Amino acid sequence: GENVEQHPSTLSVQEGDSAVIKCTYSDSASNYFPWYKQELGKRPQLIIDIRSNVGEKKDQRIAVTLNKTAKHFSLHITETQPEDSAVYFCAASYQAGTALIFGKGTTLSVSS
Amino acid sequence: DGGITQSPKYLFRKEGQNVTLSCEQNLNHDAMYWYRQDPGQGLRLIYYSQIVNDFQKGDIAEGYSVSREKKESFPLTVTSAQKNPTAFYLCASQFRGGHVYEQYFGPGTRLTVT
Repeated sequence: GENVEQHPSTLSVQEGDSAVIKCTYSDSASNYFPWYKQELGKRPQLIIDIRSNVGEKKDQRIAVTLNKTAKHFSLHITETQPEDSAVYFCAASYQAGTALIFGKGTTLSVSS
Repeated sequence: DGGITQSPKYLFRKEGQNVTLSCEQNLNHDAMYWYRQDPGQGLRLIYYSQIVNDFQKGDIAEGYSVSREKKESFPLTVTSAQKNPTAFYLCASQFRGGHVYEQYFGPGTRLTVT
């Protein structure tokens, strides 16, 4: 089955710096890669996703890149702000209606 | 934040008791999921259901049971056989179409068993 590895587990940056979180996946059939943000005690919420027919996707300060050959994808946050502090999860899925397989999460701390 | 609800938000039980966590959605989604979240472990899949009256085990199904009698509802029972039931439980739903679509999460239930 699919396995998703996520690194680093914790990341501390200064406000205004960039943050990068990386994930690798094992199943080459996976074709959907979302990123979720979870604030303390709250539900995970989708912040950006990418499908395997696209190499990069941007939404304001966040971007995701996908390398299908290497089976890894990354989340990039530019100009970080204290409100970006949260746990970020990557995930992978290969078929509609099947469960997402999640990485173990990255705790991002942005200090001002 | 609307569309998928879980109740209660906090739940306390004594060891040896079964407990049922509620999950309801009005998004007309076919697929529903239960995840367990522990610190540093990410979200681990317990059970999922793609259609009414059908469900599949996830990675950590032992000690849990589910039912899917209605499209809107996917309750999870934590049985006394679950060795470490204290955790944060998240329910999610998803539209089933030709592609994979976003999973929407409920607010979660924090279960404490003593």
